[in-house]
Amino acid sequence: DAKTTQPPSMDCAEGRAANLPCNHSTISGNEYVYWYRQIHSQGPQYIIHGLKNNETNEMASLIITEDRKSSTLILPHATLRDTAVYYCIVRVPSSGSARQLTFGSGTQLTVLP
Amino acid sequence: GAVVSQHPSWVICKSGTSVKIECRSLDFQATTMFWYRQFPKQSLMLMATSNEGSKATYEQGVEKDKFLINHASLTLSTLTVTSAHPEDSSFYICSADLTTSGRNEQFFGPGTRLTVL
Repeated sequence: DAKTTQPPSMDCAEGRAANLPCNHSTISGNEYVYWYRQIHSQGPQYIIHGLKNNETNEMASLIITEDRKSSTLILPHATLRDTAVYYCIVRVPSSGSARQLTFGSGTQLTVLP
Repeated sequence: GAVVSQHPSWVICKSGTSVKIECRSLDFQATTMFWYRQFPKQSLMLMATSNEGSKATYEQGVEKDKFLINHASLTLSTLTVTSAHPEDSSFYICSADLTTSGRNEQFFGPGTRLTVL
């Protein structure tokens, strides 16, 4: 799986958009970009994933650059409950035991009141 | 989304005892489950891959005789920490893999906090 680079921490004001960047310059053509988050002392939660097109769901939007070397997770209206560590993971969604996730250090997002 | 549960949510035990942690997929069948460990202020580290009906695959540096994994059914995997010591104190998290309509996602349990005295 390709390596990812994320800033260690970010702050965001409540109600504003939170934009979390991720660099994955060595991504290969069949690797997807996945985002998970982990609220303190809980298991990780799936947020969104994409290959090359921008994606949006009820939780967030994912913007992937045209060269796919970086992406941004956008939480459009951050709330205090969005305070968590956000992990950007690049991988091939395959079958068999190779489906495990490799977690980097992530970005600690703190939403401020 | 699919739900994965873990039991217990926390456990405190004495050094030298064994502790069993259960991971269940509540509304789907999972032929593959994964066990992670997370120390304070660190990221999740994969310990082993649990396959229903076969032996688990352990990551390098993880002792298979100390961390016993059993995946006897399509909805249950157990991790037993044998002869636990204080350095085994950690947050243990399982995940179950689900592929539907060509989309593959992993669903994580809430984690089990193990404290060994």
